[in-house]
Amino acid sequence: DTGVSQDPRHKITKRGQNVTFRCDPISEHNRLYWYRQTLGQGPEFLTYFQNEAQLEKSRLLSDRFSAERPKGSFSTLEIQRTEQGDSAMYLCASSWGQGVYNEQFFGPGTRLTVL
Amino acid sequence: GQQLNQSPQSMFIQEGEDVSMNCTSSSIFNTWLWYKQDPGEGPVLLIALYKAGELTSNGRLTAQFGITRKDSFLNISASIPSDVGIYFCAGQLEGYQKVTFGTGTKLQVIP
Repeated sequence: DTGVSQDPRHKITKRGQNVTFRCDPISEHNRLYWYRQTLGQGPEFLTYFQNEAQLEKSRLLSDRFSAERPKGSFSTLEIQRTEQGDSAMYLCASSWGQGVYNEQFFGPGTRLTVL
Repeated sequence: GQQLNQSPQSMFIQEGEDVSMNCTSSSIFNTWLWYKQDPGEGPVLLIALYKAGELTSNGRLTAQFGITRKDSFLNISASIPSDVGIYFCAGQLEGYQKVTFGTGTKLQVIP
């Protein structure tokens, strides 16, 4: 399977714990995106990397959230001191391109439940 | 901030019927996109529109980029059971990679 993969698919944690999610983009895609989707809503943009540089960040990405893409390949999204409001599906997407819109291919998501 | 409102919120149709759904925005976009999401999966791009007034087809799907750049519609002709899912419109501003998604239209097809 050469699509975007995310790990884990499901995570249940207690409030106050830290969690980390991993995203492996499609091979050689230079752009990587994180979105958050709550039940009944569309995905909301969190952040975007071009290679290893984080170029766009949403105001939704509070100081408890940090994303990295150290070698321009896989990415991690860490949430510190989780809150119940962090419960959501976290989607990763990747694309290849240099200019305007390039089709973003989405992974299956990591569903986070904070108890 | 930008908001994309979709209508209807949900719809039940008979297999074989045509479907139409709309999306309106409080501000303009340079690119309009339509995605479909199945349960437990990420969204999949159906159609991308890059120019105001553009009408684009992909099989049984047709979408248009509104002249005002603040709206778009998606039509599905001769619906089939596998059309079931949630359809999202989305917009993108020139110079930004961020995609803003709409509220979604849930489609159910009755065989």
